[in-house]
Amino acid sequence: EDKVVQSPLSLVVHEGDTVTLNCSYEVTNFRSLLWYKQEKKAPTFLFMLTSSGIEKKSGRLSSILDKKELFSILNITATQTGDSAVYLCAYNNAGNMLTFGGGTRLMVKP
Amino acid sequence: GAGVSQSPRYKVAKRGQDVALRCDPISGHVSLFWYQQALGQGPEFLTYFQNEAQLDKSGLPSDRFFAERPEGSVSTLKIQRTQQEDSAVYLCASSLSPGTVGNTIYFGEGSWLTVV
Repeated sequence: EDKVVQSPLSLVVHEGDTVTLNCSYEVTNFRSLLWYKQEKKAPTFLFMLTSSGIEKKSGRLSSILDKKELFSILNITATQTGDSAVYLCAYNNAGNMLTFGGGTRLMVKP
Repeated sequence: GAGVSQSPRYKVAKRGQDVALRCDPISGHVSLFWYQQALGQGPEFLTYFQNEAQLDKSGLPSDRFFAERPEGSVSTLKIQRTQQEDSAVYLCASSLSPGTVGNTIYFGEGSWLTVV
């Protein structure tokens, strides 16, 4: 059965810390892996990864995919209180739907 | 509209009551998805429309759940005889073309359903 597992479930850090969020997956017909940030209700897109070893970067956030070991990580450097959110990992297979992990709840304290 | 719009934002229903949740996708978007997100969980797929055709309803948890998109634009998710386990946020998402994912899929703010 296809599945996505995220760890840790939750994380509390202080501003300025660096965090690494993990996402492992087991899926047939892999097409892409995506990261979303969910602050209130609507998940907002962060990254889409399709190839191993190529880092995607956006400001203080970066992500990379390992298709051999079936995992991805999301790094956030110099965290800010505005980074507090649930971070969701999802894969897209050959179909149209996304399958999400349970999310990692990040709290950044001042 | 500028984004995916969902209504109502919050709904409290008594157990056994029927509810209808509305989604207005971005104008012109062909694909429309419904997801259910329970508290502390990730979103789970419910159903998918391409224009007015419901191509995948494999995620609907029971026959109490019904979705439609009769004119290929607005969609309604109906839950009959609500139960407490139906309490969740119901997210709608749309994308311009079928088969495109990632930064081309847009989520609404969700409808938070509480069944008491």
